[in-house]
Order: sequence, then structure tokens, then C-alpha cells
Amino acid sequence: EAGVTQFPSHSVIEKGQTVTLRCDPISGHDNLYWYRRVMGKEIKFLLHFVKESKQDESGMPNNRFLAERTGGTYSTLKVQPAELEDSGVYFCASSHGLTPREQYFGPGTRLTVT
Amino acid sequence: GEDVEQSLFLSVREGDSSVINCTYTDSSSTYLYWYKQEPGAGLQLLTYIFSNMDMKQDQRLTVLLNKKDKHLSLRIADTQTGDSAIYFCAESNFNKFYFGSGTKLNVKP
Repeated sequence: EAGVTQFPSHSVIEKGQTVTLRCDPISGHDNLYWYRRVMGKEIKFLLHFVKESKQDESGMPNNRFLAERTGGTYSTLKVQPAELEDSGVYFCASSHGLTPREQYFGPGTRLTVT
Repeated sequence: GEDVEQSLFLSVREGDSSVINCTYTDSSSTYLYWYKQEPGAGLQLLTYIFSNMDMKQDQRLTVLLNKKDKHLSLRIADTQTGDSAIYFCAESNFNKFYFGSGTKLNVKP
């Protein structure tokens, strides 16, 4: 069974540019989550999809971040325009069921904004 | 929001035991977790414990939970160089996970 995949693995962009991160969850997992880890700090929750619907987006930092999950399969996270403080590692995770015990994480996308 | 605190670094010698500690604030946590992140890789679930348990053992790993003090620990017996990684403590209440900053474990040969 393929795990959670993320693309790209690393992105370097300039302040003001746009970047789109992609996450492919494990097949059949209705729940999809985005997290972010800023250098050396805790991994913070951004948002949670159940199928194509946003269940909880309380962790999204501001309206420069837009997450979508059209069709309830893969998800994208767009940052527009990017700021220096957006640099970090963006993790995606997926899980199955209404009250899952486990979340399966992807390898992360390292975003560097210069 | 909920806070999960961990020390940032731990250094041990190969063959010794490692103990990584974590404190959390949310008394309604359902599960508590330990994840491992090796360089360049994603988070790998090592083990988890239900909040009404005190201890869980899985081969070289022992998880201890003191619910009264909201303290979670991970003990790795006979630590190997391959155990060098960042270890994240996390708590969850159903779908929302809260992570600590991670403890970087360095195992010296």
C-alpha cells in the first residue's frame, strides 16, 4: 500500500511569489490534514478535510493560504503571496474513520521563502 | 490552545537507555503518541497509548503516562545509532493533533 506522498519535496521561492504544495493521501482515507513546522518549533495543525469538505480550518494562519481538496482525493495548499515567515516544513497526513487513532504522515515539503 | 512541551536535545551512548519526556496541558486528550522523524523522512508513528492506561511496552520501547501530572515519557532500551532521530510527542482529542517541538536524540557510538 502506497503511503502519503507530497510534492515537491523542496521549494525555494522569493517573497511575493506563489507556491502550490500537493498531497496525495493513502487511498481510501477520507481524512486529510495539513500541518506546518517552522524551524525548530512544534508541528502546528493547519486544517482538516473530510472528503472534499473543510472540517476544521482553525489553524490556517491567514488568508494568503488556500487549501483545496476537489473530488476528495488529493489536496493542494497554495500560498499567495508568500512571505518570509511562511518558510518551514509542510506535512500532510491522512487517516481513516470518524475518530481515527492514527494519522499517517507524508515526508513533508520544505518551503524556503527568500 | 493546547501546549505540548519537550526538551530539545538528548545525547546518549550506544547501549544505554534513553528517556524522552513530554508534558501536555489538555486533560481531555484521548490518545498520546510518540512519532519518530529520521532525516529527510516523514513522521513515523512509533507507539501510542490510550489516556486511561499507565504503561505500554513494545519491544525496546516503553511508554509511561502519568495522567495526574500530564507527563508522558518514552524509554528506549539498548539505544542504537539507528535510533538517532527527532522524537515528537503528540496528544489528540479525536481528529485534532497537538505536537511538541521534538527532541533530537543523538546516539554516540
